[in-house]
Amino acid sequence: DIVMTQSPLSLPVTPGEPASISCRSTQSLLNSDGYNYLDWYLQKPGQSPHLLIYLASNRASGVPDRFSGSGSGTDFTLRISRVEAEDVGVYYCMQSLTSPVTFGGGTKVEIK
Amino acid sequence: EVHLLESGGALVQPGGSLRLSCAASGFTLSSFDMNWVRQVPGKGLEWVSHITSGDGKTFYTDSVKGRFTISRDIATNSLYLQMNSLRAEDTAIYFCAKDKGIDGWSFDCWGQGTLVTVSS
Repeated sequence: DIVMTQSPLSLPVTPGEPASISCRSTQSLLNSDGYNYLDWYLQKPGQSPHLLIYLASNRASGVPDRFSGSGSGTDFTLRISRVEAEDVGVYYCMQSLTSPVTFGGGTKVEIK
Repeated sequence: EVHLLESGGALVQPGGSLRLSCAASGFTLSSFDMNWVRQVPGKGLEWVSHITSGDGKTFYTDSVKGRFTISRDIATNSLYLQMNSLRAEDTAIYFCAKDKGIDGWSFDCWGQGTLVTVSS
């Protein structure tokens, strides 16, 4: 199975400041079609997860442009250009290159 | 509007069975790959099962193979998860999630979840 490792586990942030989360996989997520099969999800407190970024760098519908995803192969990053209070929650990366689909352990973002 | 609503979660004894349902609205469920994902309250996410659109090929995480069965009903536009031989470690909130329908499996719509508790 592909193991997904996120860092940091906890990220205190100041509104208006940038933030970034790292996700690393034990195998390359680059498929032969040229896409990296890596998504980012946010689970806000008391809610279900929702899709932020798919195929490593594509924002899902309705996601603010302050969120961006980058990376390829085994190293990926989610960036928030200017954190807002509504961005608090747990962020997960997920790979779907091979079954079983696996998630990172999550990064909890909270306001300082 | 695309919407998913799970039901069927309950308290069940070890070794027991349960069937979870996920009612879809706003889209034709059989036209998209669908998934079950679970989460122990306060912990991380674990993918459980996937069914492809069209031919209905199924996939499972190893810990549920032979015990859980994913299926769908076109008439009711619903997804199901039949869970047999339940264990304490199956205790979790179970979410159904719709695939975006592009390369890879990206889950672009999630239900609110239904809680399964396995305990004597």
